[in-house]
Amino acid sequence: RKEVEQDPGPFNVPEGATVAFNCTYSNSASQSFFWYRQDCRKEPKLLMSVYSSGNEDGRFTAQLNRASQYISLLIRDSKLSDSATYLCVVNEGFQKLVFGTGTRLLVSP
Amino acid sequence: GAVVSQHPSRVICKSGTSVKIECRSLDFQATTMFWYRQFPKQSLMLMATSNEGSKATYEQGVEKDKFLINHASLTLSTLTVTSAHPEDSSFYICSARDYRESRAYEQYFGPGTRLTVT
Repeated sequence: RKEVEQDPGPFNVPEGATVAFNCTYSNSASQSFFWYRQDCRKEPKLLMSVYSSGNEDGRFTAQLNRASQYISLLIRDSKLSDSATYLCVVNEGFQKLVFGTGTRLLVSP
Repeated sequence: GAVVSQHPSRVICKSGTSVKIECRSLDFQATTMFWYRQFPKQSLMLMATSNEGSKATYEQGVEKDKFLINHASLTLSTLTVTSAHPEDSSFYICSARDYRESRAYEQYFGPGTRLTVT
């Protein structure tokens, strides 16, 4: 079983749509969770950390379910500029981050 | 957020030669930097953790004699791919943690170096 699993997609949605991505992780001892965004042939950029109580940043909402070892990202009112690959990232130990393979989002006009 | 730079952004070299990639933290000191590799359509894979003033810690399966890491200052880590072969062609990305902030697990990534070995 992969340490961090994501549906690779692609998710094709029209502008203005709401889209949700899910991620599961295998290490129950993980304490920190993130969503990163990666554009084609570029480095990952931190989108948001994921807190136990859930958190929202503008159009983006992240949720964590520790019991199910499940993380989600909701994007509302999708923009063309949201087209990218979204990486679910989980910490392992004190310093190591483990990346999922990413979910590709394509937002069309 | 913190800024991390990498140089070069792109390099093409011949098989058997060595290539050095630099990773710098521009506006903060990074006692720990990380080196990742990403093959097409695959996830980032951690290669090694670079600690200032001490030996790097390599992940299982990564040859330390082939991928030499030096972290001689608080703002610079280098990765040298020795005797490069075509299968080493990949996107190499470094990251660093900014300990000034309380979000201790967040890592900031450099723009990456695309290595092509011919």
